[in-house]
Amino acid sequence: GEDVEQSLFLSVREGDSSVINCTYTDSSSTYLYWYKQEPGAGLQLLTYIFSNMDMKQDQRLTVLLNKKDKHLSLRIADTQTGDSAIYFCAGFPTSGTYKYIFGTGTRLKVLA
Amino acid sequence: SQTIHQWPATLVQPVGSPLSLECTVEGTSNPNLYWYRQAAGRGLQLLFYSVGIGQISSEVPQNLSASRPQDRQFILSSKKLLLSDSGFYLCAWITGTGELFFGEGSRLTVL
Repeated sequence: GEDVEQSLFLSVREGDSSVINCTYTDSSSTYLYWYKQEPGAGLQLLTYIFSNMDMKQDQRLTVLLNKKDKHLSLRIADTQTGDSAIYFCAGFPTSGTYKYIFGTGTRLKVLA
Repeated sequence: SQTIHQWPATLVQPVGSPLSLECTVEGTSNPNLYWYRQAAGRGLQLLFYSVGIGQISSEVPQNLSASRPQDRQFILSSKKLLLSDSGFYLCAWITGTGELFFGEGSRLTVL
């Protein structure tokens, strides 16, 4: 079945860049997404990339997609303490189901 | 604009008691709706999804059930809670471009 893997933790210093990685098995998703979850809250869409793109940049965020390796990454430039949260990658496979597949989540801690 | 609400936000229940969590969506019609559970420090587990009134697909064969009595209402229930049911329950609906909008979440502690 579908599987989406992420590293569990990442710690960076304020001002540095953060790179959160994700690998997946099902490549049928039209879009791939990054969600952010702050403590005690639901998830919010951060950014997404169309599956026929290699890169998308949105202010401090850069998404890279390597379809051959089934690897997705999120780079946050100039990481701030407010970026501390759990980040989930996700896909919505077009395989006839309505199942939205989330990664395991990466907890980003930004040190002042 | 579309909004999604869940309640209650927090509840503490004894083992063996019943459960009812409610989710309502406004500003859209015939949404695809989802219930997820997030255990402490863990990822999201899909519990149920619904593509319409009375249509429920279960992903997890446990003591939980879901119902969709109205187009924009999604209810998560249990007749007898287990300790393992503790967690953060999230309701969500999906847009035409595949974006999920989540409710505020309901934190359940079973003692």
